[in-house]
Amino acid sequence: DTGVSQNPRHKITKRGQNVTFRCDPISEHNRLYWYRQTLGQGPEFLTYFQNEAQLEKSRLLSDRFSAERPKGSFSTLEIQRTEQGDSAMYLCASSSREAGELFFGEGSRLTVL
Amino acid sequence: KNEVEQSPQNLTAQEGEFITINCSYSVGISALHWLQQHPGGGIVSLFMLSSGKKKHGRLIATINIQEKHSSLHITASHPRDSAVYICAVRRSGGSNYKLTFGKGTLLTVNP
Repeated sequence: DTGVSQNPRHKITKRGQNVTFRCDPISEHNRLYWYRQTLGQGPEFLTYFQNEAQLEKSRLLSDRFSAERPKGSFSTLEIQRTEQGDSAMYLCASSSREAGELFFGEGSRLTVL
Repeated sequence: KNEVEQSPQNLTAQEGEFITINCSYSVGISALHWLQQHPGGGIVSLFMLSSGKKKHGRLIATINIQEKHSSLHITASHPRDSAVYICAVRRSGGSNYKLTFGKGTLLTVNP
């Protein structure tokens, strides 16, 4: 399968723990996006990479959040010292051009107890 | 007020019915997307349009740029169409790589 892959699909953690999510985009896509979706809401933009460069980071991302895309291929989203308010679905998407169609992964659902 | 509003929030239909989901937006856009989200989270892109009308199988999407309104129609609905349908817009100018999403419309099609 050559779609966008995310893992883990589900993560349950205790408040204060660190978690990391990984996204493998479609191989020829140089643009990668992270979105967050809470229950009953549409996804909200978190951050955007073009190749390895992080071009924008939303104000939604506090200092506890960091995203990387070290070689312009896969990306990681790390949340440090998790809080209950971080519980959400974290969605990754990729595209081949800036204003092109987005291809989404299945998402990583985080539950913070 | 959200920049992207969808109606209805919830929609229940009987198999075979014609379905319409509406999306209104309040900003200038370069494109509008319709997406489908099944339970479990995965999102699939259905349409990306900037004018007129597109059709794919039983799905039809239309957009009226002047009225800032788009509709998604499903003909001959089927239980497998049950999902959340989300409208998202790409703003014109500035950071046009970002999408702004509506809250979604939960569609349930009963057999």
